[in-house]
Amino acid sequence: DTAVSQTPKYLVTQMGNDKSIKCEQNLGHDTMYWYKQDSKKFLKIMFSYNNKELIINETVPNRFSPKSPDKAHLNLHINSLELGDSAVYFCASSQVTSARSYNEQFFGPGTRLTVL
Amino acid sequence: TQLLEQSPQFLSIQEGENLTVYCNSSSVFSSLQWYRQEPGEGPVLLVTVVTGGEVKKLKRLTFQFGDARKDSSLHITAAQPGDTGLYLCAGAARGGTYKYIFGTGTRLKVLA
Repeated sequence: DTAVSQTPKYLVTQMGNDKSIKCEQNLGHDTMYWYKQDSKKFLKIMFSYNNKELIINETVPNRFSPKSPDKAHLNLHINSLELGDSAVYFCASSQVTSARSYNEQFFGPGTRLTVL
Repeated sequence: TQLLEQSPQFLSIQEGENLTVYCNSSSVFSSLQWYRQEPGEGPVLLVTVVTGGEVKKLKRLTFQFGDARKDSSLHITAAQPGDTGLYLCAGAARGGTYKYIFGTGTRLKVLA
């Protein structure tokens, strides 16, 4: 009964390959996010989507393309993988209420991407 | 650019000791959150503080939001090995709640 799930958990691939990470949430939230956590544990937002619409694109290279087929899914496709893409990628979701200035984000377990 | 600096970066203490983690910024945030992340998992929200000067308690954890809403602290009383983890503060970026800025993190290890 996982709230936010990601697949795969681990991804090891060669430089130059294209790969995808899938994310699904069953919380009924309207907003989903992708974050990148580097080796120093710094967590940085990449994208946020609200009702399938891209809201935030945090100067991420064009090689990263998120896709939201519906409100419950936000997938991340990465083209031409580079060594520097190695990190843990987290998907998250939240219900954004316009009347409030904050919301609770629920994170998935993460996908550890290693580019060789 | 809004930044959140946490200190200390690493903390290793004995069970039963008290500790405080700080989250500082030169920017004002409308709210600040604290998350805990355990190895191999995603962060989990502990608390949200909204009002300047606000203090919230969660069992042995006490969270405070600075009067000017530029900083926050997390105090743990009588730390236990189960408190071990990465503690992250986060603030909603200027202009909306669709972008959260996370702090640099504090790795806490509590030894039995």
